[in-house]
Amino acid sequence: GAVVSQHPSWVICKSGTSVKIECRSLDFQATTMFWYRQFPKQSLMLMATSNEGSKATYEQGVEKDKFLINHASLTLSTLTVTSAHPEDSSFYICSASLRFFPEKLFFGSGTQLSVL
Amino acid sequence: GENVEQHPSTLSVQEGDSAVIKCTYSDSASNYFPWYKQELGKRPQLIIDIRSNVGEKKDQRIAVTLNKTAKHFSLHITETQPEDSAVYFCAPTDSWGKFQFGAGTQVVVTP
Repeated sequence: GAVVSQHPSWVICKSGTSVKIECRSLDFQATTMFWYRQFPKQSLMLMATSNEGSKATYEQGVEKDKFLINHASLTLSTLTVTSAHPEDSSFYICSASLRFFPEKLFFGSGTQLSVL
Repeated sequence: GENVEQHPSTLSVQEGDSAVIKCTYSDSASNYFPWYKQELGKRPQLIIDIRSNVGEKKDQRIAVTLNKTAKHFSLHITETQPEDSAVYFCAPTDSWGKFQFGAGTQVVVTP
């Protein structure tokens, strides 16, 4: 089946630094990738949708200058949390879908970000 | 936009009993109805899905039923086991891949 790899699985950083999270589709070309954040005991909140080679579409309330998304190839999307603050601490997950099967979502393993 | 309601938010069942979770949606364009299981700190895993031309689908102890007229679909787990304890999410989706996750149901199976 389709495999999505996400790294790192956890990261601890100081307030004010930037953190990059990678999401790779290992055995398929992901035309669309999604980024979510999830707080404890809450649902996945969609942050943005990215299509290869174009700018990401951000959901309402998500700061595009703070959460930089790059989808430079059909197998890699990155999320950079810039100038991270403690309130950015959360579980971040990516998912990918196929061009001809957009309904199916293949999830990365998630990244637990803790900002001190 | 899509309005998705998932009930109950928590469900505690005795091992061996059945569990039912219901998801109500508003977008009539939704035609793909998956259920995901998420264990703590892990990625969501697709456990069963159904398309709008089918009313019910079963896979061993798990089943999904769809009532497209009433715009709801349900997850049924029979003979529950402790390893069924997790959070379950519905995510009604349209043919363009537009989806919205339900708020989740925390299922606790007690031995």
